[in-house]
Parts: sequence; C-alpha cells; structure tokens
Amino acid sequence: DSGVTQTPKHLITATGQRVTLRCSPRSGDLSVYWYQQSLDQGLQFLIQYYNGEERAKGNILERFSAQQFPDLHSELNLSSLELGDSALYFCASSVGGSTNEKLFFGSGTQLSVL
Amino acid sequence: AQKVTQAQTEISVVEKEDVTLDCVYETRDTTYYLFWYKQPPSGELVFLIRRNSFDEQNEISGRYSWNFQKSTSSFNFTITASQVVDSAVYFCALRPPETSGSRLTFGEGTQLTVNP
Repeated sequence: DSGVTQTPKHLITATGQRVTLRCSPRSGDLSVYWYQQSLDQGLQFLIQYYNGEERAKGNILERFSAQQFPDLHSELNLSSLELGDSALYFCASSVGGSTNEKLFFGSGTQLSVL
Repeated sequence: AQKVTQAQTEISVVEKEDVTLDCVYETRDTTYYLFWYKQPPSGELVFLIRRNSFDEQNEISGRYSWNFQKSTSSFNFTITASQVVDSAVYFCALRPPETSGSRLTFGEGTQLTVNP
C-alpha cells in the first residue's frame, strides 16, 4: 500500500459529461502529480501541485483542470468528455517535489467514456 | 527534451530464467535521476529503484540488479531466477532537475510474462 488514495476506482460515463477524480496524498507529502495512462499515449504527465499551487504542467488538455486544497488532497476535473479520454488516471505524491524524490502512486481511477 | 525508450514491448520467459529489460534514455541535462517502476496486473505502480546520474555503481537487491552506463545512456534491469510473481509491466523513467520541470518521463513499458 503506497499510502496514496484515489477515488473512485472505476468510473463509467458518457461523452460530453464531466467527472471529478479525487486523490489523497501520503501523510506529510506536499506534492501531488497527475498522470494519464492510455494504450496509445502510454504514461503521460498531466500536472503537478505543490502545497496548493500549480508547479508544473504537462500534456493536459484545456478541458481538464486540477486543484490542490488546503488539506492537500487534489481533484482532477475532466469535462466535455470524449471517447479518447478513456484511460487510467494515476495520482502520485512526494514529500516536496525535488528531483531525487521517488513518487508514490495510487491505484488509479479507470475512466471509461462510452 | 527528455525521452525514454524501452525497445522490448513484450518478453516471455520460463520460470527460473534470467531476464534483462533494456532502457535507453535521452537528455541534455547533466544531473538527472532514473527510476524503474513495476505495474503488476492489479494496476498500481510500484517503485523499484532510483539512481542518480552521478552514481554509476551497479546495484543488486535480492534477485534484482541494475546496470547504469552513462556512456551509452542505458539503465538496464535484470531479474535473476525469474518467478511467476515477476509477471508485470516494467517502466523505466527519467526525471530531470527542477529547473527543467522535474516531471517523470516514462518509457513505453515492457510486458514481462514469466511462465511456470
């Protein structure tokens, strides 16, 4: 158990809808990362937050947004969903966000857009 | 830009065989970290090892060993006497210094199947 909690584990929705994925980092970790894993794109970095502020942005679509709350949990919002958004979405956390830190990953949220 | 290449998409071995998973990376940074993660059928990503670009000493941990060669930009992973429980997708990843964004760049992954 990595200590990173993601909910829900599975999500099935329809095109055009909006969903929210939730992540609770390990106790004491200030950085939260979101990754998307799909068959055609592999594991892609989406966005990183550190202590409530956005620190780095990757290949995140404009339809997607995220935030980190004062209690350090994070939410990834996906809107106007398309079939191609179907993927496994991982949240990870680390203590501070430095290069040498290892990331601890949650079990992921499997999103299926029908 | 950083790039990680795992040329082996799938590897299938019989239990007790040794197997090496290849990883080649590209980066312009002089300081970086390399990682290996394991993704078993249950889906979660499990950290295996972290290596600093300045430390080329090979590492052994039980049946696992890692060969880091900066001259060839490779960070290969060997499992000795493989077991069925080693069946998983293995990802090599590169993390640049914070000045370059500090995000993990993953390779495509190698699906390892260990047959009894």
